[in-house]
Amino acid sequence: EVQLVESGGGLVQPGGSLRLSCAASGFTFSVHYLDWIRQAPGKGLEWVGRIRNKAHSYTTEYAASVKDRFTISRDDSKNSLFLQMNSLKAEDTAVYYCTRSTDGWFDWFDLWGQGTLVTVSS
Amino acid sequence: DIQMTQSPSAMSASVGDRVTITCRASQGINNYLDWFQQKPGKVPKRLIYSASTLQSGVPSRFSGSGSGTEFTLTISSLQPEDFATYYCLQHNNYPPTFGQGTKVEIK
Repeated sequence: EVQLVESGGGLVQPGGSLRLSCAASGFTFSVHYLDWIRQAPGKGLEWVGRIRNKAHSYTTEYAASVKDRFTISRDDSKNSLFLQMNSLKAEDTAVYYCTRSTDGWFDWFDLWGQGTLVTVSS
Repeated sequence: DIQMTQSPSAMSASVGDRVTITCRASQGINNYLDWFQQKPGKVPKRLIYSASTLQSGVPSRFSGSGSGTEFTLTISSLQPEDFATYYCLQHNNYPPTFGQGTKVEIK
């Protein structure tokens, strides 16, 4: 089955860190770009960041709201995507989704994981 | 950043109604415009990409149109399973940005 499965969410104090994982199966993980998108409770969708594939040197892009605090990485040998979140703030509280995109500009976010909830609170 | 503005933000409609949702971009986005559907407690699902291409498996009552800065999602005959929140997304520029959402409720 083609799927993405996130894990690692939970409750963390402001200023703390958390690492999310996303396990992929059923497709050729290594050729795809991968993104994290989040959704605060009762709110809309916000793109967090992207990691490209090996052909594009695994380069990354980040939203301004998380740049210098969050880091996206991937392990193609394990079909896994990661989001390292540091210096967490209350406004980072959200469901975090990993998503798949195809190399290029046309085919973005065609597959989503079920999401994992991150709560930043003291 | 490119701002995406959807209208209306919410609407009530009846089964069988024709529904149109509009999305306006703050600048031209070369038709890199997608539509997503999200039901309560569920994962967003892509319906339309490149402004007018129907995602495989999505019913043909959904259609997308538009170009430049103004785009529309049309549901030709609203079905009970279509009551949801709809989001547009531009990915012509980084960062990709979503509209604020349009909630379609039962009248």
